[in-house]
Amino acid sequence: AQKVTQAQTEISVVEKEDVTLDCVYETRDTTYYLFWYKQPPSGELVFLIRRNSFDEQNEISGRYSWNFQKSTSSFNFTITASQVVDSAVYFCALSEHGNNRLAFGKGNQVVVIP
Amino acid sequence: ETGVTQTPRHLVMGMTNKKSLKCEQHLGHNAMYWYKQSAKKPLELMFVYSLEERVENNSVPSRFSPECPNSSHLFLHLHTLQPEDSALYLCASSQDIWISSGYTFGSGTRLTVV
Repeated sequence: AQKVTQAQTEISVVEKEDVTLDCVYETRDTTYYLFWYKQPPSGELVFLIRRNSFDEQNEISGRYSWNFQKSTSSFNFTITASQVVDSAVYFCALSEHGNNRLAFGKGNQVVVIP
Repeated sequence: ETGVTQTPRHLVMGMTNKKSLKCEQHLGHNAMYWYKQSAKKPLELMFVYSLEERVENNSVPSRFSPECPNSSHLFLHLHTLQPEDSALYLCASSQDIWISSGYTFGSGTRLTVV
């Protein structure tokens, strides 16, 4: 069974600080996909990234970066130089190959203080 | 606009009322989903539709009744709800239920049962 753990519930940072969100996953499949979504106060979950299990390269997109470590089953997300607009709940999710059912973690509430 | 539209955005209903939530997607997707998001809980998958057929019903009480008249529209009919059913109800769509492409979410309906 697939499972995603996001241990930190709420994280507060001062604007311009970096913040890292941890995501640890469990799956028996060798082929799987990892996702991060952002949920701003407006409610919709906004897709940020999709990564398959065979691609362990870290990725950077603007102020966002992701660190995929298969050895520790982690897919951590870092926001560099945080801004108030980054305040949101961030969800990590996992789906197994051939099955587009997403298992979500509980989410990390990020509060960026101006 | 994400391509998935949910109405209404907010709904307050009494326990004896009957109401419906509507979801519409303009992405040409073949799969649609209902999720429930309660405070402090992970996202709960309620129903999955593939090509207008229900393929998953995750032990959801019968007071929630989904309907998918075509691949672009999904409804959630509500009747005799309980206060614990108050939550954010999110609709999502995806290309299909097999390819792990992730979902596109709507903004949700914030439901309050009084």
